[in-house]
Amino acid sequence: GDSVTQMEGPVTLSEEAFLTINCTYTATGYPSLFWYVQYPGEGLQLLLKATKADDKGSNKGFEATYRKETTSFHLEKGSVQVSDSAVYFCALKTGAGSYQLTFGKGTKLSVIP
Amino acid sequence: EPEVTQTPSHQVTQMGQEVILRCVPISNHLYFYWYRQILGQKVEFLVSFYNNEISEKSEIFDDQFSVERPDGSNFTLKIRSTKLEDSAMYFCASSSGTGANQPQHFGDGTRLSIL
Repeated sequence: GDSVTQMEGPVTLSEEAFLTINCTYTATGYPSLFWYVQYPGEGLQLLLKATKADDKGSNKGFEATYRKETTSFHLEKGSVQVSDSAVYFCALKTGAGSYQLTFGKGTKLSVIP
Repeated sequence: EPEVTQTPSHQVTQMGQEVILRCVPISNHLYFYWYRQILGQKVEFLVSFYNNEISEKSEIFDDQFSVERPDGSNFTLKIRSTKLEDSAMYFCASSSGTGANQPQHFGDGTRLSIL
């Protein structure tokens, strides 16, 4: 079945450091890929998405590129801030006929001043 | 910005009791979902609901679970006879469609603790 694997956390970075959170997937067909973020005490919020190979999703300084050849969708940010501290979830959704999102385990990011 | 709201934020229930988790989806959305996250594990899909019927469910969603849209605004998840392993964070979500450009919007979750 479909699955998403994320790098294990927690990840602790200093402010202004470069962030990469790895995400790889297995899926039938051609999935759409998502990153969701969960700030402390809040629900899951869509951060960015990509719907086909080589698409780049971006939002709030975060980027991720849909790499079909490596089945990856790594999240990157050039300079993290304390306010980026949260849990980040990689997810996929396969095509028509399926309603569900398949999530990774989540990666907790802590950014220290 | 419209949001999905869930109540209560935390529910404590004795094993074997029935529990109802409540959600108010975004008002113009047509598709509704429940997910759960057991502590330390992945967010898992439970069920999706459209046009007053279940459109997809996972193997987790057995006969103990049911969903209902009792009126024009609420969407509920009922667990008939709770077990210890039902302890988890339950997330409700809604979307206007099922395409990638119609993403699912999530509530803040209900933490269910079974004693």
